[in-house]
Amino acid sequence: DQQVKQNSPSLSVQEGRISILNCDYTNSMFDYFLWYKKYPAEGPTFLISISSIKDKNEDGRFTVFLNKSAKHLSLHIVPSQPGDSAVYFCAASAWTGTASKLTFGTGTRLQVTL
Amino acid sequence: DVKVTQSSRYLVKRTGEKVFLECVQDMDHENMFWYRQDPGLGLRLIYFSYDVKMKEKGDIPEGYSVSREKKERFSLILESASTNQTSMYLCASSRDRATTGQYFGPGTRLTVT
Repeated sequence: DQQVKQNSPSLSVQEGRISILNCDYTNSMFDYFLWYKKYPAEGPTFLISISSIKDKNEDGRFTVFLNKSAKHLSLHIVPSQPGDSAVYFCAASAWTGTASKLTFGTGTRLQVTL
Repeated sequence: DVKVTQSSRYLVKRTGEKVFLECVQDMDHENMFWYRQDPGLGLRLIYFSYDVKMKEKGDIPEGYSVSREKKERFSLILESASTNQTSMYLCASSRDRATTGQYFGPGTRLTVT
């Protein structure tokens, strides 16, 4: 049962354009949503997060939008740069009573072309 | 600078061997996690620990155990390695209720032959 889904395994965008990565979830108990970026042979690095009580969070070129009624979030990267080429994981956080546990999507490979 | 280190980047073991993967964090984080990453499956949580000597099963704990004797160190143990445990293993740590999520180590690529 995949609680967090990234339906696009890959995305190719030209440098300077907008990249939009999408993520859907099923569990209403998630209280935070996060995006991670992963380069080959490295661990994922935190990019941006959003609380379930917000609908938008912005950090420089990165903006995350949350639509709770649709259980959908998206990451916008504007403008896209070649260094943004990586695998992006969406993750959702839920408190277990002892720790915040993350559930990850399967990832979207972003390729930013010149 | 925040740091999570894993004992090996690459490891090759034989079926049936007992395998230890070590993870150390220097951020005094309460929580530590072990994941495996497989193509098309994303990151899946194996076990996590919220305090020294405390642990909880994640989504795929079968065939694994963990140990946390000190706050900074979290070990993943494959009791009897099997070929279906060939994977990338990622360790992470976090503070309680961290809104910036978890900090990850570089990963250990384990091959079981």
